[in-house]
Amino acid sequence: AQSVTQPDIHITVSEGASLELRCNYSYGATPYLFWYVQSPGQGLQLLLKYFSGDTLVQGIKGFEAEFKRSQSSFNLRKPSVHWSDAAEYFCAVGVYNFNKFYFGSGTKLNVKP
Amino acid sequence: GAGVSQSPSNKVTEKGKDVELRCDPISGHTALYWYRQRLGQGLEFLIYFQGNSAPDKSGLPSDRFSAERTGESVSTLTIQRTQQEDSAVYLCASSPDRGALGGYTFGSGTRLTVV
Repeated sequence: AQSVTQPDIHITVSEGASLELRCNYSYGATPYLFWYVQSPGQGLQLLLKYFSGDTLVQGIKGFEAEFKRSQSSFNLRKPSVHWSDAAEYFCAVGVYNFNKFYFGSGTKLNVKP
Repeated sequence: GAGVSQSPSNKVTEKGKDVELRCDPISGHTALYWYRQRLGQGLEFLIYFQGNSAPDKSGLPSDRFSAERTGESVSTLTIQRTQQEDSAVYLCASSPDRGALGGYTFGSGTRLTVV
């Protein structure tokens, strides 16, 4: 069965520091992978997505993610975190023609001044 | 509209009452999804609509939950005889593609509290 694991429930980083949020998935075929961000009281916003091709994808707000098939991972990175990045981040895997996404349980990011 | 609109944004209801949640998708988006997000948890798929096709109801947790959508317009999610475990944020999303390859656009959700 498909599943998505985000092993870190909470992460705290200092402003200006680098960030990596982990995501592992379980799926038999090539997945369609997504990262979403949810700010307090807001809906989810798409940060980036991977379908095929270059395994390093660039997204909005300076985020990037790398698909590693051998590790079944799609980790989200940002070289320098801003205070406005404090939010909850969700990794998701889309299964073509199954018309649904499987979401991880999320990682809450706190940013220290 | 410019985004996915959900109403109400907050709803407090008494246990046993029925509630109706509304979602207005982005114009032209053929696919519409409902998800539930319980406190501290990820998103849980509830139901998917694609045009005039039969909806995928495989995620509805019980027969107290139902949803309707006419064509490619507004959808309503109805929860009958609400229970405290129904308390959650209910998120609606729409997508221009079958299979959501384009990624979803989410509404800001309806926070339902059953007291």
